[in-house]
Amino acid sequence: KNEVEQSPQNLTAQEGEFITINCSYSVGISALHWLQQHPGGGIVSLFMLSSGKKKHGRLIATINIQEKHSSLHITASHPRDSAVYICAVRPGMGTDKLIFGTGTRLQVFP
Amino acid sequence: ETGVTQTPRHLVMGMTNKKSLKCEQHLGHNAMYWYKQSAKKPLELMFVYSLEERVENNSVPSRFSPECPNSSHLFLHLHTLQPEDSALYLCASSQESGRRLEYEQYFGPGTRLTVT
Repeated sequence: KNEVEQSPQNLTAQEGEFITINCSYSVGISALHWLQQHPGGGIVSLFMLSSGKKKHGRLIATINIQEKHSSLHITASHPRDSAVYICAVRPGMGTDKLIFGTGTRLQVFP
Repeated sequence: ETGVTQTPRHLVMGMTNKKSLKCEQHLGHNAMYWYKQSAKKPLELMFVYSLEERVENNSVPSRFSPECPNSSHLFLHLHTLQPEDSALYLCASSQESGRRLEYEQYFGPGTRLTVT
């Protein structure tokens, strides 16, 4: 079992819908990252958070450290939001490397 | 040029070839990373360089050889690869302080490698 699990693996939505992608992890962490990967491979960092909630435009990321869970929300989704969304955690002790989830593939149709 | 660039974007090589992947960051960062992304698998960290010294070598086969001549450039030298090494190879950089690598990573567009 991967230390970082994302759900769902695949998600389709109609333009305008509210979208939630979930990430659960099993290790203690110092930070959690949400990344966006577009077709062709390029990865963009969306958020890095260690507590609470962050908002950037139509994107909102939340984290519950006690429950070892984070969510990424997209409000008023748009076809250009279609991408793979990857959750990654930085363990709290013993290693500096990020542990990645397998990603959630989102397709938003007009 | 801005951000993190990688060349080539696509590479097809035979199992007996020798090739190199190049990464360059224009962000003034002091740490650089190589990742491998295979189909339907999570990103795998291969190598980390911090202040031009290798600080992580994640049990990568010796047919992959990294080189970091300065803080802006990172290479991945490839020789006698196997078909299962076909993947997207991503470079990233970050600005770190102290011993821990804690900060946001900026990724390049990747090199799509096919080994025939």
